[in-house]
Amino acid sequence: AQSVSQHNHHVILSEAASLELGCNYSYGGTVNLFWYVQYPGQHLQLLLKYFSGDPLVKGIKGFEAEFIKSKFSFNLRKPSVQWSDTAEYFCAVGDDKIIFGKGTRLHILP
Amino acid sequence: EAQVTQNPRYLITVTGKKLTVTCSQNMNHEYMSWYRQDPGLGLRQIYYSMNVEVTDKGDVPEGYKVSRKEKRNFPLILESPSPNQTSLYFCASGGEGTRALSRANVLTFGAGSRLTVL
Repeated sequence: AQSVSQHNHHVILSEAASLELGCNYSYGGTVNLFWYVQYPGQHLQLLLKYFSGDPLVKGIKGFEAEFIKSKFSFNLRKPSVQWSDTAEYFCAVGDDKIIFGKGTRLHILP
Repeated sequence: EAQVTQNPRYLITVTGKKLTVTCSQNMNHEYMSWYRQDPGLGLRQIYYSMNVEVTDKGDVPEGYKVSRKEKRNFPLILESPSPNQTSLYFCASGGEGTRALSRANVLTFGAGSRLTVL
């Protein structure tokens, strides 16, 4: 069965801390991977995507993610978070059909 | 401005009263999809459409209908809404060219429609 698993449902960090949000997937088709972000009261926006090539993908606002095929993982990282990164983060995988994880709520303390 | 427009943004209705949530995109995207977002469950796909007159069920299609008669529009229809359909609904579109999502193009989301069924 196709699925996306996000390990952390709620993460609280202080500003300048490093961030890593876990994402594992199970998908039988072509693996295209995404991270979307939903800021409070807003709709989802793309953070970064992986289609092929370099498994280390850089996105907007200093975020990056690494595709590790052997681990079926696509973890999101940021070396130093800011208060404005407070949001909900969704990992997604798919081709014709895109499946989302349940999301991780990130709260950054000022 | 490239966007996905949903209406209404907020709606309170009663059980059994048919309603339609409209979705329109101005990016000439072939792919369109509906999701519902519920606390602790993330986004779950209701229906999606690869092109005009082509629709497929997502993970939670029960109680919903869709149609894709034109490329730009993808309305979500609740024939007989029930309280368990109270949710935040998002429409999204993606893909350009001859094959929608041929490389899993980025989805552009609408602002969401918050539906309450009493």
